Amino acid sequence: DGGITQSPKYLFRKEGQNVTLSCEQNLNHDAMYWYRQDPGQGLRLIYYSQIVNDFQKGDIAEGYSVSREKKESFPLTVTSAQKNPTAFYLCASSSATPEETQYFGPGTRLLVL
Amino acid sequence: QKEVEQNSGPLSVPEGAIASLNCTYSDRGSQSFFWYRQYSGKSPELIMSIYSNGDKEDGRFTAQLNKASQYVSLLIRDSQPSDSATYLCAVNEGGTSYGKLTFGQGTILTVHP
Repeated sequence: DGGITQSPKYLFRKEGQNVTLSCEQNLNHDAMYWYRQDPGQGLRLIYYSQIVNDFQKGDIAEGYSVSREKKESFPLTVTSAQKNPTAFYLCASSSATPEETQYFGPGTRLLVL
Repeated sequence: QKEVEQNSGPLSVPEGAIASLNCTYSDRGSQSFFWYRQYSGKSPELIMSIYSNGDKEDGRFTAQLNKASQYVSLLIRDSQPSDSATYLCAVNEGGTSYGKLTFGQGTILTVHP
């Protein structure tokens, strides 16, 4: 089955703690993206990567970090510098076709203890 | 700041009626346009994509694009209670931005029996 997986489904963070959200895809897509969604809001882009070992900041990158060491994987770290991390985090991927449709994983809900 | 605005909801229609969802965008250079459906607590799923002016139909869904007016819409015919969800409009900047999407805030649709 081809698709995008995210883990864990729920994640709890303590004050001052860094946490890492996993995103894996087996669609052979070149590009991967991380979005944040707050209640009643649309999606806001955190980081994106068009190719392995390269990534760009999105609109709300402060307090987050990413890596892209493998084509299939794009983990997101929420650092202690992110003061309001409670949100629904969505990972997406797309191919390099002209349409560049993005497909989403199931999401990780991050809560602060 | 590139913006995507959707008609404020929530939108409530009776079963069997036509639901009309609207979206305007600020970047005249935008190339690709997408409608996603998001059920409560779930990740967005692609409903329609449209790239050129005019209408595009897929089953009960019709997307309409007018680049001159910077307007894209989604019509849902014969609305069903299962269509009740949040609908997200997304716009792709194209060019070197390579798939970077800007999302509207979403419109909540409720279809009542």
